[in-house]
Amino acid sequence: EAGVVQSPRYKIIEKKQPVAFWCNPISGHNTLYWYRQNLGQGPELLIRYENEEAVDDSQLPKDRFSAERLKGVDSTLKIQPAELGDSAVYLCASGDGLSGANVLTFGAGSRLTVL
Amino acid sequence: SQQGEEDPQALSIQEGENATMNCSYKTSINNLQWYRQNSGRGLVHLILIRSNEREKHSGRLRVTLDTSKKSSSLLITASRAADTASYFCATVPFGYSTLTFGKGTMLLVSP
Repeated sequence: EAGVVQSPRYKIIEKKQPVAFWCNPISGHNTLYWYRQNLGQGPELLIRYENEEAVDDSQLPKDRFSAERLKGVDSTLKIQPAELGDSAVYLCASGDGLSGANVLTFGAGSRLTVL
Repeated sequence: SQQGEEDPQALSIQEGENATMNCSYKTSINNLQWYRQNSGRGLVHLILIRSNEREKHSGRLRVTLDTSKKSSSLLITASRAADTASYFCATVPFGYSTLTFGKGTMLLVSP
């Protein structure tokens, strides 16, 4: 099993440029999360999907961030335009949603640097 | 927003010693989980304890949960250099389905 796959691992862009991150969850996992992790902090939720439906996007800055999960499988997170404060690691995680335990498997993350 | 708060923020010990990390949270929960993150990597699930459980073991890990105090502790016994990582507690608040993380404890185990 490949685990949760994220790309790119690293991205450096100038402010006001767009950027997109891709995530392929574990096969069969219906729940997918995007978290943002600032240096020295814990992950903070951006958006949670159950299948293709965004069931919790209350923390997503919708003026510049967008996400989609077509066909309930892989997902893309986009930032347009990027700001200096968006520099962080963007983590994708998936879960099978069984027994309501919400145990998650994380990808390695995409580290974004905005100059 | 972050539900959990780990203590201490950083912990430095020698190999063979035990490491104890604490987590406090704000609202009632369905379960509490601990995750480990090695530098530059994603988080790895370690152990889950449900709200009706008080203690759980997994290998060198021991987790306790006190719902009356809204707190949990993670004990790593006979620590190894490979245990060097950040440790996060995460909760599923009651009536809510999203996993919410604390700020983490950074553990350094010296040979």
